[in-house]
Amino acid sequence: DAGVTQSPTHLIKTRGQQVTLRCSPKSGHDTVSWYQQALGQGPQFIFQYYEEEERQRGNFPDRFSGHQFPNYSSELNVNALLLGDSALYLCASSGQGAWGETQYFGPGTRLLVL
Amino acid sequence: QKEVEQDPGPLSVPEGAIVSLNCTYSNSAFQYFMWYRQYSRKGPELLMYTYSSGNKEDGRFTAQVDKSSKYISLFIRDSQPSDSATYLCAMSATSGTYKYIFGTGTRLKVLA
Repeated sequence: DAGVTQSPTHLIKTRGQQVTLRCSPKSGHDTVSWYQQALGQGPQFIFQYYEEEERQRGNFPDRFSGHQFPNYSSELNVNALLLGDSALYLCASSGQGAWGETQYFGPGTRLLVL
Repeated sequence: QKEVEQDPGPLSVPEGAIVSLNCTYSNSAFQYFMWYRQYSRKGPELLMYTYSSGNKEDGRFTAQVDKSSKYISLFIRDSQPSDSATYLCAMSATSGTYKYIFGTGTRLKVLA
């Protein structure tokens, strides 16, 4: 059973560019959350997608947007990249309704903005 | 003040020691408490998940939640060098599947 997968693993961009990161959830999961983890910090919640809609959003600007597809996979898009966007971007998936369900994380995409 | 506080460490212990990792929080609405282990340059791996107050044990790991003190702990017995990693606490008010608030993580090094 494949866990959460993310692509690409690493990415280098320059300021002002746009980037798209991809996530496939764990089998049987229908909810995808995205987090940003700066070096030496804990993950910060960006947003969560369920039924192809953004259900919750953290304190991130509109430059951060996302999408969920009918197969539950998801994309995170970041426009007008800033140096401060350099971080590990984590995708987490979860199911619905089952007590004890929690979020399972992928390996992350490491983004470097120059 | 951050919603979740966690000592960043680093914490160095000899192999075989009992390790105690802690987080405090300010939001009394938190009901779901998780501990993740993160190796360098990897994604977080779920270790323990607890709901409300009490203890939960899984192998060498024990998680404790004291909601009256807004304090959670993770104990690792018989620590091994392979336990060397960053340990993240995470909390949620709504459910185990909603927005998580994480601590900054505690770096642990177990010396052989």
